[in-house]
Amino acid sequence: GAGVSQSPRYKVAKRGQDVALRCDPISGHVSLFWYQQALGQGPEFLTYFQNEAQLDKSGLPSDRFFAERPEGSVSTLKIQRTQQEDSAVYLCASSLGLQPQHFGDGTRLSIL
Amino acid sequence: DAKTTQPPSMDCAEGRAANLPCNHSTISGNEYVYWYRQIHSQGPQYIIHGLKNNETNEMASLIITEDRKSSTLILPHATLRDTAVYYCIVRVSPNRDDKIIFGKGTRLHILP
Repeated sequence: GAGVSQSPRYKVAKRGQDVALRCDPISGHVSLFWYQQALGQGPEFLTYFQNEAQLDKSGLPSDRFFAERPEGSVSTLKIQRTQQEDSAVYLCASSLGLQPQHFGDGTRLSIL
Repeated sequence: DAKTTQPPSMDCAEGRAANLPCNHSTISGNEYVYWYRQIHSQGPQYIIHGLKNNETNEMASLIITEDRKSSTLILPHATLRDTAVYYCIVRVSPNRDDKIIFGKGTRLHILP
């Protein structure tokens, strides 16, 4: 497809489990962003990559959150030892140069 | 980035023009006004952006006041598919590849 693809679309995990969320950006897009969206709120920035370099991770809420983009295309957001407050929609966006960010439809994570 | 203020919700009759206001009184000279929208269960979608001149594209029109302290997004002929949360965002020049800071937006209901 031509858009940003995220998988899985829904993820349910028990508290304490580790989860991995995947983002396939638009082909050729240099920049990749992760956002977290709690119910009823606007998306909040987590981290930013330019190619494989993670240039900004100031939004990651704790050291349980880790993101990588080893080959400058697909990115994975990993959350270790999940807690209930991690329940949210995780959005990925990509962009190329001066173009606006294009968002995927997100992964809805529910921690039981 | 400057802060924006939007009404929490608005209604508009189908087929009529939807006018969504946004206040950004602290906007600085190099900051652009961006609009995104988020339809239920989807990621945010870019609509339009502008600096000081009015802008129009296939989706909407953006009217920015002369003092740039406020703006209005206009959907000329609203349809039921325009029901969404609309975010007004102020950010530095699109030359910077930077994170988007979303507020709570305006929830627009299009009424049949």
